[in-house]
Amino acid sequence: ELKVEQNPLFLSMQEGKNYTIYCNYSTTSDRLYWYRQDPGKSLESLFVLLSNGAVKQEGRLMASLDTKARLSTLHITAAVHDLSATYFCAVGGETSGSRLTFGEGTQLTVNP
Amino acid sequence: DAGITQSPRHKVTETGTPVTLRCHQTENHRYMYWYRQDPGHGLRLIHYSYGVKDTDKGEVSDGYSVSRSKTEDFLLTLESATSSQTSVYFCAISQGIDTQYFGPGTRLTVL
Repeated sequence: ELKVEQNPLFLSMQEGKNYTIYCNYSTTSDRLYWYRQDPGKSLESLFVLLSNGAVKQEGRLMASLDTKARLSTLHITAAVHDLSATYFCAVGGETSGSRLTFGEGTQLTVNP
Repeated sequence: DAGITQSPRHKVTETGTPVTLRCHQTENHRYMYWYRQDPGHGLRLIHYSYGVKDTDKGEVSDGYSVSRSKTEDFLLTLESATSSQTSVYFCAISQGIDTQYFGPGTRLTVL
């Protein structure tokens, strides 16, 4: 059974600081996704990572994937208040078809 | 948002009553999914569909059934709602293993 763990689950940071969210998964995977969710809203796709060493960047967010370590990171550079949201990673196992297993989510609060 | 709507958006019902939630897409995606979101659990897959009349169970399927008679519609039914099914329900769509796109969600309260 594929298990996905995110840490930290809660993150409070100051504007301008850098931080990293970690996503570990338990079995071999061929794809990993990052989503953002604002309070009371739906999930918005941020990144898709499909191969070992893949790196994607959008604005102040950068995601990377290490399939050998079964680890993905979401790095936040010079955080701003608008990045406050909950971030989820989701993993597709090699034998799970189109199904995804989600992490618990990391609730990020960026304080002025 | 991708062309995904969910109805109703909010519902309050009583224990033991049947409830049906609807997901409608205009994207002609083959795959459709129902998730529930609860604090401390992230999103958990209830059921999914890989084509018209083709469905399968997810990790938390007990107490739920689904139907898909048309490409665009995926229905989730709680035959006899219980308080443990109080949750936010999200529908998602995808083309195979591509990114899943999510609907706006339905907040269900079972009293």
